[in-house]
Amino acid sequence: EMQLLQSGGGLVQPGGSLRLSCAAFGFSFSSSAMSWVRQAPGKGPEWVSIISGTGARTYYADSVKGRFIISRDNLKGTLDLQMNSLRADDTAEYFCAKGLTISVAGAIDHWGQGTLVTVSS
Amino acid sequence: QVVLTQSPSASASLGASVNLTCTLSSGHSNYAIAWHQRQPEKAPRYLMKLNSDGSHTKGGGIPDRFSGSSSGGERYLIISSLQSEDEADYYCQTWGPDIQKVFGGGTKLTVL
Repeated sequence: EMQLLQSGGGLVQPGGSLRLSCAAFGFSFSSSAMSWVRQAPGKGPEWVSIISGTGARTYYADSVKGRFIISRDNLKGTLDLQMNSLRADDTAEYFCAKGLTISVAGAIDHWGQGTLVTVSS
Repeated sequence: QVVLTQSPSASASLGASVNLTCTLSSGHSNYAIAWHQRQPEKAPRYLMKLNSDGSHTKGGGIPDRFSGSSSGGERYLIISSLQSEDEADYYCQTWGPDIQKVFGGGTKLTVL
């Protein structure tokens, strides 16, 4: 069974840092582009970042560029998101998400369970 | 950049059918999309990928009651024989040549 199990998240002060992790099971991890998507309360999902299957290519939403870093370890089957210089408007539920294909351009076809990030003093 | 537009809400009776619409912005009518469901207090679930010609590929375990169709820049999610557990938010998602993934604002479906 395909599973994405997330960890990390919590309460952090503005300007602080947080690291999210996602462990993948039940599929060929290195054959899938992986994304992070967030959803603030009452709003629609917002794509945050994506990394190619090999990890060679990474892309970021303008709202997080220069502050967030996506990475993956294909040997361990894990995906991470290092979040720095956090702001109040980064508060959201964060999801790791699997791409339908190896291409970074494409549909998401599986979601993690989500983890809440709250940025507040 | 491509924009996806969804009606904020929809409702239909238990056992009935409902069509949810996702509209692609002008110039993007050939884009494929994906439909996702988010039930209350649950993570999103991928329903299907829907192509511009109406062909679609559903995710594992998605009931036959869920189907999709396309017409021009409109992408439809059709749910038949509505059940109470279909009450959820439904989001469409696409992807542009600039890699960024785009989501619609979502439709909140109420089952009466």
